[in-house]
Amino acid sequence: DAGVIQSPRHEVTEMGQEVTLRCKPISGHDYLFWYRQTMMRGLELLIYFNNNVPIDDSGMPEDRFSAKMPNASFSTLKIQPSEPRDSAVYFCASSSRDWGIEAFFGQGTRLTVV
Amino acid sequence: LAKTTQPISMDSYEGQEVNITCSHNNIATNDYITWYQQFPSQGPRFIIQGYKTKVTNEVASLFIPADRKSSTLSLPRVSLSDTAVYYCLVGGVHQGTASKLTFGTGTRLQVTL
Repeated sequence: DAGVIQSPRHEVTEMGQEVTLRCKPISGHDYLFWYRQTMMRGLELLIYFNNNVPIDDSGMPEDRFSAKMPNASFSTLKIQPSEPRDSAVYFCASSSRDWGIEAFFGQGTRLTVV
Repeated sequence: LAKTTQPISMDSYEGQEVNITCSHNNIATNDYITWYQQFPSQGPRFIIQGYKTKVTNEVASLFIPADRKSSTLSLPRVSLSDTAVYYCLVGGVHQGTASKLTFGTGTRLQVTL
């Protein structure tokens, strides 16, 4: 398996623009997580899905952020409108475990909002 | 919410055994203890997971005392390539309910010759 695939790897956008990050989880995994990493705040869980259904989105910072999982092989994280403080590395991870947290992370998307 | 506490940084020489301890005083009955490794510009990578006692794999060992309020990740004979940030994570994903899957600040391990 190719692992968790995220795209794009790097994104530079202007403040106010819409940004869409994409994730393809490992086939057969039924949990998908979105994390954000910054120097100041470390790794933060934004939202996670189980069987394509959002279970906990309490980590989503504000209404400008939204995430969808239309099917088992694809998820998006959208920021609209983007702001400079959204600049971070966004990771997607997937897991097949019903107990515990053995998750596999993608390479991340480095987002820069100028 | 199971909060974890780890040392911010550790230094070691190549070839030594490194033990990183994590405190999680309010761990819940259903929580597992999981350790991840992260290199710069990469996503975290799963190292080992356990519930109680001792777990060993080809990479590391995890020691968990009976009260489960702490755990120790043991890396045998570290090399320069083990220089990374190590995260202790406590929690679990359960059908319909979940504890917060929160990463702490991690321990930055620096291995030198």
